[in-house]
Amino acid sequence: KNQVEQSPQSLIILEGKNCTLQCNYTVSPFSNLRWYKQDTGRGPVSLTIMTFSENTKSNGRYTATLDADTKQSSLHITASQLSDSASYICVVSATGNTGKLIFGQGTTLQVKP
Amino acid sequence: DTEVTQTPKHLVMGMTNKKSLKCEQHMGHRAMYWYKQKAKKPPELMFVYSYEKLSINESVPSRFSPECPNSSLLNLHLHALQPEDSALYLCASSQDGAGAIPYEQYFGPGTRLTVT
Repeated sequence: KNQVEQSPQSLIILEGKNCTLQCNYTVSPFSNLRWYKQDTGRGPVSLTIMTFSENTKSNGRYTATLDADTKQSSLHITASQLSDSASYICVVSATGNTGKLIFGQGTTLQVKP
Repeated sequence: DTEVTQTPKHLVMGMTNKKSLKCEQHMGHRAMYWYKQKAKKPPELMFVYSYEKLSINESVPSRFSPECPNSSLLNLHLHALQPEDSALYLCASSQDGAGAIPYEQYFGPGTRLTVT
C-alpha cells in the first residue's frame, strides 16, 4: 500500500533555532517527492520538489534531502522565524498515477519568540 | 502568474441550500483538482479534471457535483450537504494531470465551508 509517514507530529522550537522534519514513504514506482508549507486555513504552498535522481534541493532557508534507496526525506529549516509556524506536508507521487498525490499527515511546527 | 483563485473565501449554508464554489487559473494548466481538508488532516482528493474531462472521481457522494466549463475554470456545485461536509475545500491545478510524470500542483487559498 502506498503510504507516507511523517515525524514528529508536532514540534515547538525557539526563534532562530534550526529543525529537521522527517518523511518516510512506501510509494512505488516512485516519481517525485514534494514538501509543502500550509498556514492555518490556507492552501499548501510548494517548497521543493525532487525526483529520484536528486538528493538535495534548497529554497532559501529550507533544504530538502532525498534518499531514494531508503525511501526517506528530510526538510531542514535554518534560522527559524515566527513566520515558519505552519504545517509541513510531505507529498509523494507515483509514476503514471495521473496526478494523484499521496499526502503525509503533516508536521505542525510552532516557532516561539 | 502562478495563482489559483477561489471564491468565496467563506461560505455558510444550510442543509437544504444549493451553492457553488468557484476556482480559476490562468497558467494554461490542463489539469484541475478539488480537495477536501478537515482540520489537522491532509487534503483528500475528490475530483480530477484533465483536458476538461473528469478523469478521477474518488467515490465522492453525489451531493458534490463538479463542473469544468473551460480549461481555466472549475466549479463545485453543492446540494443537500451534511454538517460533516464542513471543511476547507481546496482547488489545485497542474500543467498536465495525465501521463507518466506528475507535474507541480499549485493550490488555491481554499473556501472555508460551514454546513449548518
